[in-house]
Amino acid sequence: EAEVAQSPRYKITEKSQAVAFWCDPISGHATLYWYRQILGQGPELLVQFQDESVVDDSQLPKDRFSAERLKGVDSTLKIQPAELGDSAMYLCATRPTGWGRWYFNEQFFGPGTRLTVL
Amino acid sequence: GENVEQHPSTLSVQEGDSAVIKCTYSDSASNYFPWYKQELGKGPQLIIDIRSNVGEKKDQRIAVTLNKTAKHFSLHITETQPEDSAVYFCAGKSNAGGTSYGKLTFGQGTILTVHP
Repeated sequence: EAEVAQSPRYKITEKSQAVAFWCDPISGHATLYWYRQILGQGPELLVQFQDESVVDDSQLPKDRFSAERLKGVDSTLKIQPAELGDSAMYLCATRPTGWGRWYFNEQFFGPGTRLTVL
Repeated sequence: GENVEQHPSTLSVQEGDSAVIKCTYSDSASNYFPWYKQELGKGPQLIIDIRSNVGEKKDQRIAVTLNKTAKHFSLHITETQPEDSAVYFCAGKSNAGGTSYGKLTFGQGTILTVHP
């Protein structure tokens, strides 16, 4: 069964350092999401891509966070500089292409990257 | 934007009992409501979902009910088993248009513990 891949699974860094997370979506999934999940809370959307274009980055702290999906396939989320409050699980999710069909609603999540900022 | 509230935050049951988790949403334009199960160290996994034109959906021991008028939906797990222990999240998908279109808003999560 196809899965969303993320790496690294765990990352420990010191504040003010730069970190990057990578996501490889399920083949053919044009929509890609990055979520941040603080311990004890639900995932919160950071950025949404449709192919290589950003369609929603309203919740992305753009002074320190950036995201790209250059070829419309895999994606990278970067934080520079990292702050203590960035410690969280960063989840990537993807959704099949298409509209108007029930199946296309489901988002498939990767295992996440657990970030700890010291 | 959409706001999803989930209750209770923790739920403890005995094996074989039923468990019910409830969510309310604010955006009347939302039309899709999934439930995700998240085990320790893993990403959320969809367990059941429902569209706004359906009042109830069942899949073996799991069922979801939706009351559009009251803007609330519930997850029902019957004959609970220890392997059902996990964090459960509800979510609503906004159809409000603009940058909110297709966006999932999650509840705060419910930690379900099933005691053998």
